[in-house]
Amino acid sequence: DAGVTQSPTHLIKTRGQQVTLRCSPKSGHDTVSWYQQALGQGPQFIFQYYEEEERQRGNFPDRFSGHQFPNYSSELNVNALLLGDSALYLCASRKNSEAFFGQGTRLTVV
Amino acid sequence: KNEVEQSPQNLTAQEGEFITINCSYSVGISALHWLQQHPGGGIVSLFMLSSGKKKHGRLIATINIQEKHSSLHITASHPRDSAVYICAGRNSGNTPLVFGKGTRLSVIA
Repeated sequence: DAGVTQSPTHLIKTRGQQVTLRCSPKSGHDTVSWYQQALGQGPQFIFQYYEEEERQRGNFPDRFSGHQFPNYSSELNVNALLLGDSALYLCASRKNSEAFFGQGTRLTVV
Repeated sequence: KNEVEQSPQNLTAQEGEFITINCSYSVGISALHWLQQHPGGGIVSLFMLSSGKKKHGRLIATINIQEKHSSLHITASHPRDSAVYICAGRNSGNTPLVFGKGTRLSVIA
């Protein structure tokens, strides 16, 4: 079992561009959550997907959107990138109460 | 004020020392997680607690629900324990985790 896998691992984008990050959950996990972790901070909840629908959302603007596919994998899309969007983006999948995290995608906006 | 507070923010220890990291939370939680994050970003779940105490190798986690406090202890610390340790709480089964800012631990040989 590969656990939670995220791609790409690193990404550099220019202000104003759009980015798509991908996450494959741990086998058997149907709930995927995305978090943003700024340098020196704890992760902040972006949103959670279950049964292909956004179920909960944190305090992030509409520029952040997502999708979950029938195989439970998920994408995070960020439009009109700002310098402040530079962060580590973590995906977590969950079964019951236990959460498993991916290695993250480090996004740098220049 | 963050709902989950950790202390200390940074900790440097000599190899072999007993280490304690504390976590206090201001919201009701059903489960508290202790996580380890190495440079490069990946997070590993160490413990999930809803009551009492858990032990895995040299790591021990305790939680006091009434006092809304949890501790992570590392016995006989080793340089490979150097990482950021994060506590995170969940209010109920489907709510998202709320994270502390982490404690950066450096263990020196």
